Formats: sequence, C-alpha cells, structure tokens
Amino acid sequence: NAGVMQNPRHLVRRRGQEARLRCSPMKGHSHVYWYRQLPEEGLKFMVYLQKENIIDESGMPKERFSAEFPKEGPSILRIQQVVRGDSAAYFCASSRGQENEKLFFGSGTQLSVL
Amino acid sequence: QKEVEQNSGPLSVPEGAIASLNCTYSDRVSQSFFWYRQYSGKSPELIMSIYSNGDKEDGRFTAQLNKASQYVSLLIRDSQPSDSATYLCAALTGGGNKLTFGTGTQLKVEL
Repeated sequence: NAGVMQNPRHLVRRRGQEARLRCSPMKGHSHVYWYRQLPEEGLKFMVYLQKENIIDESGMPKERFSAEFPKEGPSILRIQQVVRGDSAAYFCASSRGQENEKLFFGSGTQLSVL
Repeated sequence: QKEVEQNSGPLSVPEGAIASLNCTYSDRVSQSFFWYRQYSGKSPELIMSIYSNGDKEDGRFTAQLNKASQYVSLLIRDSQPSDSATYLCAALTGGGNKLTFGTGTQLKVEL
C-alpha cells in the first residue's frame, strides 16, 4: 500500500519561473492538505482540498499560489513567478476525511529559488 | 497568541531517562490532538493521537491530554539516541478542517 507520493523531491527554479509540485494521496484517501515548512519553523497550513473542490485555502498567499485536485490525477500546488522567499519544503498530507482522521505525510518537495 | 505553542528547546535528556514534551493550544473547540516526529530533512511521522482527557499509552510513548487546561504532553520512557528528533504537536482546528502545528520541540538524547 503506497504512501503519499510527492514529486519532484527537489525542485530548483530561477526567480520569475513557475513551480509545479505534485501529490498523489494514499490509496483510498480523497482529502489532500498542503503545508509549507521554512527552516527552523513549524509546518504552516496552506490549503485543504477534496476531489475537484477547495475546502479551505485560508493559508494560501493571495497572489501567485494556486492549488487543484482534479477528478483524475494528482493534486497540484502551483507557484507562479517564484521569488527567493518561496524557498521552503512543501509537504502534502492525505486522509479519508473522516472525523478525527489522522493525516499521513509525503516525503515533501524541497523548492530552491535561485 | 499562537494556536498551538511549544517550547522550541533543545531539550536534552540522558539515554534511558524520561523525556517530557509539552504543548498548549488556544482553540477550546479542538477535540483531536496528535504528536508527530520529524527527523532532520525528513517528513513528519505520526506517533500518537489522543482525543479524550487522560493518558494514552503506546509502547514507550504516553500522550496526556487536559482539555480544561488546554494542555497536551508526550512522555517518552527509556529514551534512546534514535529518539533524537523534532516533535511536533498538532491540533485539529477550524471546525476540524485543518491540522494546526506548533513549531516543534527539538529533543536530544545523549549517550
């Protein structure tokens, strides 16, 4: 039973480019969460999605960031026109969406903006 | 006030001792709490969940919850060097929609 799969593991972009981070949830999970972690800081919630729906995007920056979880395929976190401050580890987690459900995390994508 | 607060540490304990990690939360509505362990450069790994007041034991780990004091703790008995990691406390907030994390406590178990 494969866990939460994220790719790429490492992503290097130059300022102004676009970054696309992908997340495939665990089998049987239809709820996806994206978190960002800066060095020496905790995990910051960004967005919570179900298939084809954004449930809570209260942690998403207002500009340049977007997320989707289509009916088919992985969830995508998209960052347009990246800046150096976007450099961080981005973690995806998934659950079945039941009450008190535990979240299981992927291995993360380390984004480095040059 | 942060929703979930932890002392960043580092907390140093000798091998074989009990490590005590503490966490407080601000949202009285929160009902579900979790402890994750994160090794440097790795993803968070769930080690304990607790939903009711009192203690919950799993092997060397004991989670404690006091909803009246809005306090969660994690005890690690017989600490091993392999327990050295950052421990993240998390609470389900926002009506249960999202898991909010503290900044983590770094634990160092010394030989």
